[in-house]
Amino acid sequence: DTEVTQTPKHLVMGMTNKKSLKCEQHMGHRAMYWYKQKAKKPPELMFVYSYEKLSINESVPSRFSPECPNSSLLNLHLHALQPEDSALYLCASSLNPAGGPGETQYFGPGTRLLVL
Amino acid sequence: LAKTTQPISMDSYEGQEVNITCSHNNIATNDYITWYQQFPSQGPRFIIQGYKTKVTNEVASLFIPADRKSSTLSLPRVSLSDTAVYYCLPIFSGGYNKLIFGAGTRLAVHP
Repeated sequence: DTEVTQTPKHLVMGMTNKKSLKCEQHMGHRAMYWYKQKAKKPPELMFVYSYEKLSINESVPSRFSPECPNSSLLNLHLHALQPEDSALYLCASSLNPAGGPGETQYFGPGTRLLVL
Repeated sequence: LAKTTQPISMDSYEGQEVNITCSHNNIATNDYITWYQQFPSQGPRFIIQGYKTKVTNEVASLFIPADRKSSTLSLPRVSLSDTAVYYCLPIFSGGYNKLIFGAGTRLAVHP
């Protein structure tokens, strides 16, 4: 099983709502990532979790709150978002947090978020 | 981190070979060159990775010259389903597996 799943596929929320994005992998990977991708732009790294601990936060606003309850699950909690936060949110995982030859990231299909 | 430069877009026709070149002049000694492919509304997918010379797998070939300041992704006999964005990324072998995507190359394959 080389699949990363993300739910929901689409999400529409108001600026005062609280919602969560969910990501799961059952490949035994110990690193998990959140990326944000605006239309016609490349993905941008937001967070890296290594062995269920937050290891990198790319200066992401606090209205985005990541959580890694266990090694297979990654959440992104959203609160008080702005319309400019509308984007495709991608989750990825890799076997080891440290890069190296053959170390690749497996991406999920993403959650398309629209903030009204 | 090494900055990469790729053509913004390319056009090809079915059955042709497509070569996409990426420039990475300040690549570090420990960086590996990795290419990802992304279809619309999907996450990127790993295609191929190499350090130097030539690497080939069932999908593509990757050519990296001795100075490693550039690399070329070669897609043999493309089909319509190869229409996608292709990203070249140097990945540091000794640190966190942190992918920093450049603008990528939008490949359009025509019938």
